[in-house]
Order: sequence, then C-alpha cells, then structure tokens
Amino acid sequence: DSGVTQTPKHLITATGQRVTLRCSPRSGDLSVYWYQQSLDQGLQFLIQYYNGEERAKGNILERFSAQQFPDLHSELNLSSLELGDSALYFCASSVGTGKETEQYFGPGTRLTVT
Amino acid sequence: GDSVTQMEGPVTLSEEAFLTINCTYTATGYPSLFWYVQYPGEGLQLLLKATKADDKGSNKGFEATYRKETTSFHLEKGSVQVSDSAVYFCALRSNDMRFGAGTRLTVKP
Repeated sequence: DSGVTQTPKHLITATGQRVTLRCSPRSGDLSVYWYQQSLDQGLQFLIQYYNGEERAKGNILERFSAQQFPDLHSELNLSSLELGDSALYFCASSVGTGKETEQYFGPGTRLTVT
Repeated sequence: GDSVTQMEGPVTLSEEAFLTINCTYTATGYPSLFWYVQYPGEGLQLLLKATKADDKGSNKGFEATYRKETTSFHLEKGSVQVSDSAVYFCALRSNDMRFGAGTRLTVKP
C-alpha cells in the first residue's frame, strides 16, 4: 500500500459526459501528479500540482482540468468524454518537486466511456 | 524532447534464470532514472532509482547502473522468481516524468 488513495476504482459513463476523479496523497506529500495509461499511448504525464499551485503540464487535453485543494487532495475533471478517453488514470504523490524525488502511485481509476 | 526506449516484451523466463531488460534514453541535461514495477490490477511501485552517472540502484535483487556514455539504464536480476512476474517500466525525469512502453515479464516454475 503506497498510502495514495484514489476514488472511484471503476467508472463507466457515456460519451459527452463529465466525470471527476479524486486523489488523496500520502501524508506529508505536497506534490500530486496525474497520469493516463492506455494501450495505445502507454503511460503519459498529464499535470502536476505542488501545494495547491499548478507546477507542470504534460499531454493534458483542454477538455481535462485539475486542481489541488488546501487539504492537498486533488481532483481531475474530464469533460465531453470520448471513447478514446477510456483508460486507467493514476495519481502519484511526492514530498518535493525535484527530479530525484520518488513518486508514489495510487491504485488507479479505470474509466470506461461507452 | 526527452524519451525512453525499452525492450519490447513479452519476456518469458524459467525460475532462477538471469534477467535483463534493456532501457535507453534521450534527454537534455542530467535526468534521474527510475525502474517501476506494476503487478496486475495495481499501481506502479518504485523498484529502484539512480540520480547521477555511474550510480547503481538496487532493490530486491534487481539492479541497474546509470550509464551516461551509452545513455542506458538496463535492469538486471541474477535469479528471477515466479513472484517477479509483472510489467516493468523504465522512466526518466528532467522536468516531467517520461515512461517507456513497459516490458511484461512472465516467470514460469
């Protein structure tokens, strides 16, 4: 158990809908990262927050947005969903932001868009 | 941009065989390098890391050496067990984290 929690574990929704994925980092970790894992794209970095502020952006679509709240939990919002958004979405956390910092991954949320 | 290339799987080995999973990278600057492991139905777990050239990361019998001259970070284990069956990801981080495509390892008794 990494100490990172994600809810829900599974999510099934229809095209065009909007969903929210939630992540609670390990106790003491200030950084939260979101990743998408799909069969065709592999594991891709989406976005990083540090202590409530956006720190880095990766291959995140404009239909997707995220935020980190004062209690450090984070939410990833996916809107106007398409079939291609079906994937595993992972959250990770770390104490700091340096390149040597270890990231701890949650169990993931499996999103299925029908 | 930064990228990671790792050997394609799947890899199937017998128990106690020697394991090598090749990983090479392209990066500007001096990235940190990582190996993560993903067991079925779970998130990624950090296996080992190296933060500068010639560093050797090791954990649970696995090891990898940061080779700047060959831009490589190959994962090795001298004697694999059935419980090592999983998907292994090589990754680098300069700014954001970049992962390889993953290599599925199956160890048979």
